[in-house]
Amino acid sequence: KNEVEQSPQNLTAQEGEFITINCSYSVGISALHWLQQHPGGGIVSLFMLSSGKKKHGRLIATINIQEKHSSLHITASHPRDSAVYICAVVGGYGWNTDKLIFGTGTRLQVFP
Amino acid sequence: DADVTQTPRNRITKTGKRIMLECSQTKGHDRMYWYRQDPGLGLRLIYYSFDVKDINKGEISDGYSVSRQAQAKFSLSLESAIPNQTALYFCATSDFRGGLETQYFGPGTRLLVL
Repeated sequence: KNEVEQSPQNLTAQEGEFITINCSYSVGISALHWLQQHPGGGIVSLFMLSSGKKKHGRLIATINIQEKHSSLHITASHPRDSAVYICAVVGGYGWNTDKLIFGTGTRLQVFP
Repeated sequence: DADVTQTPRNRITKTGKRIMLECSQTKGHDRMYWYRQDPGLGLRLIYYSFDVKDINKGEISDGYSVSRQAQAKFSLSLESAIPNQTALYFCATSDFRGGLETQYFGPGTRLLVL
């Protein structure tokens, strides 16, 4: 069993829909990243959070440390949001971040 | 200009050849990483470096070596390439502030080993 599980693996939506991508993990962590990988392969860091909630434009990320779960929400989805969204956790080894554990990603396609 | 660059962006090589993937950054970060990404798998850490004199093996370092020539440069070498090293390779740097770390990824190098 992977230490970081994402669901769903694939997601299709119509433009304007509200999107939720989930990430569950089984290890102690100090932080969690949400990354976006574009069809061309480039990876962009969207959020890093260790508690609560962060918002950037139409993107919202939440984390529940007790439940070992994080969600990424996209409001008013748009075709340009089509990408692979990757959850990665930072192993909770004090300040040593030598282990980033990645989920396998959620492929999102938003149709006009 | 991009903060983290990788060269080459695409490479086709033959089994047994030695190749080097290069990564440069202008962010002034001490920490640099090399990952590989395979279809259906998450990114996996190959090597990482917390400063010029600090090199550490990651999860899947066998068959790879690295060189940290300067703060801004971190190279990954495949000493004798094999087909199962066909993958997308990412370099990343990180900024460690206030106990939290943000990673900045390069554009990736797509490697095909025949």
